[in-house]
Parts: sequence; structure tokens; C-alpha cells
Amino acid sequence: SQKIEQNSEALNIQEGKTATLTCNYTNYSPAYLQWYRQDPGRGPVFLLLIRENEKEKRKERLKVTFDTTLKQSLFHITASQPADSATYLCALGSSNTGKLIFGQGTTLQVKP
Amino acid sequence: GAGVSQSPSNKVTEKGKDVELRCDPISGHTALYWYRQSLGQGLEFLIYFQGNSAPDKSGLPSDRFSAERTGGSVSTLTIQRTQQEDSAVYLCASSLGNRGSNYGYTFGSGTRLTVV
Repeated sequence: SQKIEQNSEALNIQEGKTATLTCNYTNYSPAYLQWYRQDPGRGPVFLLLIRENEKEKRKERLKVTFDTTLKQSLFHITASQPADSATYLCALGSSNTGKLIFGQGTTLQVKP
Repeated sequence: GAGVSQSPSNKVTEKGKDVELRCDPISGHTALYWYRQSLGQGLEFLIYFQGNSAPDKSGLPSDRFSAERTGGSVSTLTIQRTQQEDSAVYLCASSLGNRGSNYGYTFGSGTRLTVV
């Protein structure tokens, strides 16, 4: 069955460092991948989308890579800030359906 | 509206009762999705509406769950004869297209359902 794995352990980093979160998947060939941020008590907020034919996408301090050979996406936040502390979810979608399959998320804690 | 609106924000119900959860998507968004999230877990897909097409109900966990979308806008998720394992946050999202390859989802803040 399709499986998406995100590191269940919280990631703790110091302010100013680069945070790197990992999303691995198996038994799936997604056409695109999305990253979301979720704060406690709130719904996820869309951050970035990357397609299968794209290697890298950037938006301000965010960078996403997508390696369909390794079946992995990396999500980077450069110059991290305490306000970046949240849970980050990756989600995969195929070309023949509109629904996304979400990972369990990784919690990031940026310490001042 | 400016965002996806869900009501109620919190619902406590007795086991065996029926509940209705409402979602008001962003105006003009043709796609509407329901997910649920249990404590510390990821999002579990329930059902997906796209325009006038038949909904994708493949994620509904049992026949106690149903949903409808009236007039291509507001959606209601109904859970009949609620069980304690139905306790979760039910999230609704909408998007512009039927394929996420171009559009991200906009989520509401969810309805926290507690079955006692």
C-alpha cells in the first residue's frame, strides 16, 4: 500500500540555522508533491508545490527538492526563526485524481 | 468568503447520536475535500467533490459516514450513530482545480468532534 514517511521525532534547531525536513514515500508515483505548515488548533496552510519533472523549487527562505528516483522530498528553511516553529506536512498527489495523501508531519522547534 | 469556514468549531456528542458538520468553501473553488485528523496523526482522506462529478467516497470509513455538497458550494458531513473512535478533528478544504498540480488546498480550522 502507499506509504508516506516523515520523521516522527521533533526537530530542534537553533535560530539562524537551516532546518531540513524529510519526506519519503513508497509504492507510489506522485505527479506532484506539496508542503503544508500546521499550527496547533489550526488547519494546514499551503506553502509550496513541486512537480515530478522539477528538481527544486524556492520561495523566500523555503526550498523544496523532489527526487523521484530516491522517492524523497527535502524541505529546507534557511535562516530559521522561532516563528517557523510548527508542524510541517508533506502531501502527494497523482495526475488522475485531485485528492492528496498526507504524511503524519514533522514538528519543528526553533530555539532563540 | 475570505477563507474556508467550518461549523461548529467544537462538538461534543453522546455515543449513538447523529452529528452534522458544515463546510463553507471559498467562493469559486470547484473542489472540496474532507479529511480527519486524530490526535498526533496525519490527515486521513474521507471524501472529495469536484464540480458536478460524482464524489470520490473512497476514504469514508463506514456507511455511517456520508457527505453532500449542495449547489456546488456548502458541504455537510454527516456521521450517524457516532462511536468513540469517531472522535477527531474534521478538516474541510477547497481548491480552484481538480488536480492539485496547480493549486494548493485552503483548509478551514476544523471541527473538533468528541464522542462521549
